Amino acid sequence: GQQLNQSPQSMFIQEGEDVSMNCTSSSIFNTWLWYKQDPGEGPVLLIALYKAGELTSNGRLTAQFGITRKDSFLNISASIPSDVGIYFCAGGTTSGTYKYIFGTGTRLKVLA
Amino acid sequence: KAGVTQTPRYLIKTRGQQVTLSCSPISGHRSVSWYQQTPGQGLQFLFEYFSETQRNKGNFPGRFSGRQFSNSRSEMNVSTLELGDSALYLCASSEQQNIQYFGAGTRLSVL
Repeated sequence: GQQLNQSPQSMFIQEGEDVSMNCTSSSIFNTWLWYKQDPGEGPVLLIALYKAGELTSNGRLTAQFGITRKDSFLNISASIPSDVGIYFCAGGTTSGTYKYIFGTGTRLKVLA
Repeated sequence: KAGVTQTPRYLIKTRGQQVTLSCSPISGHRSVSWYQQTPGQGLQFLFEYFSETQRNKGNFPGRFSGRQFSNSRSEMNVSTLELGDSALYLCASSEQQNIQYFGAGTRLSVL
């Protein structure tokens, strides 16, 4: 099935460091969502973006909807151990009926 | 509001059996989508139901089917299970075709 390219695939960082990850596609999207998934649980919504160029924050998290509408970025500032998990992006399209396509995920590991 | 509830949380079946998974959406949400998540393939869209009608479908074989009831609860059925069907099955609900909120998933193991 179709998936978005998400990078990096995984990363180890020190507690207190800032983290950046991104999601790219060859298709244009109308919505970008960012989720975090803990082991054995479902993805939890972090941030939703609706307009090209939009920058939205949720605590230490900041996400941006790329100007071309083909990409999105998520930054986490001052990481803490509970930031460990898999982060997914999802692009929403209204081609036909509304549908979301998910990224391949970025696995984040924080070293205390 | 209560979140999306999926039952059961864990299932073990053998090849050739069939299985039914259940999803109760957030109150007021009329759209329910199902996804299959595996380590190798990530999150793959199965289908979406809205007001008891399948509105969108992914690229899965006909062994995967679903339905939605008048109270928006949804079930997913997989017939003639194969080893490759082992996965975490996630259900997400949304208002109209808006942001999707996920349940904790059903972990299916096919032996």
